[in-house]
Amino acid sequence: DQQVKQNSPSLSVQEGRISILNCDYTNSMFDYFLWYKKYPAEGPTFLISISSIKDKNEDGRFTVFLNKSAKHLSLHIVPSQPGDSAVYFCAASAADYKLSFGAGTTVTVRA
Amino acid sequence: DADVTQTPRNRITKTGKRIMLECSQTKGHDRMYWYRQDPGLGLRLIYYSFDVKDINKGEISDGYSVSRQAQAKFSLSLESAIPNQTALYFCAAGTAIEQYFGPGTRLTVT
Repeated sequence: DQQVKQNSPSLSVQEGRISILNCDYTNSMFDYFLWYKKYPAEGPTFLISISSIKDKNEDGRFTVFLNKSAKHLSLHIVPSQPGDSAVYFCAASAADYKLSFGAGTTVTVRA
Repeated sequence: DADVTQTPRNRITKTGKRIMLECSQTKGHDRMYWYRQDPGLGLRLIYYSFDVKDINKGEISDGYSVSRQAQAKFSLSLESAIPNQTALYFCAAGTAIEQYFGPGTRLTVT
């Protein structure tokens, strides 16, 4: 049973607008959350992370929000650019330091 | 230079054959991981190693084995390949909470 879920397999957004990607988790032991980005024919690359002691982390155009009571996190990309078109994976880690991944959301940024 | 390399990048094999996927890393990370990616399922952990003498099963280790030949090398073997092992395989190395992935091996079992 997947402990990290990304319920939207795809997202299409116009260039310059905001992209919002969502992720839900079930394991209350998760204490660190990450987003990875993947282009075709490449491996995933680390994008941004957040610890469970925070509710927001920002890095340039990327912001991750964590709502622990709802077991929900989201990634905001503002403004969206064509180079942001990729698959985005949400991942979570507990004290054993293994990562559990969601199924991914494919983002397409339209010009 | 890529931090994590995988060979081969693509492989087609027949049911019942033994196949090995190889992974090397250049950054001296102690921890290495093997994942497989299937459509709609994301990345699932097959095996992981925290050092040369420490090998652990992940959530889907059945049908796979691994060898950590050195700190920099971690190989994945399919002793007798079956069609449902057709997938994209990724090796990763890194710290507990930030992993660096190789480019992947696309394996097809016919």
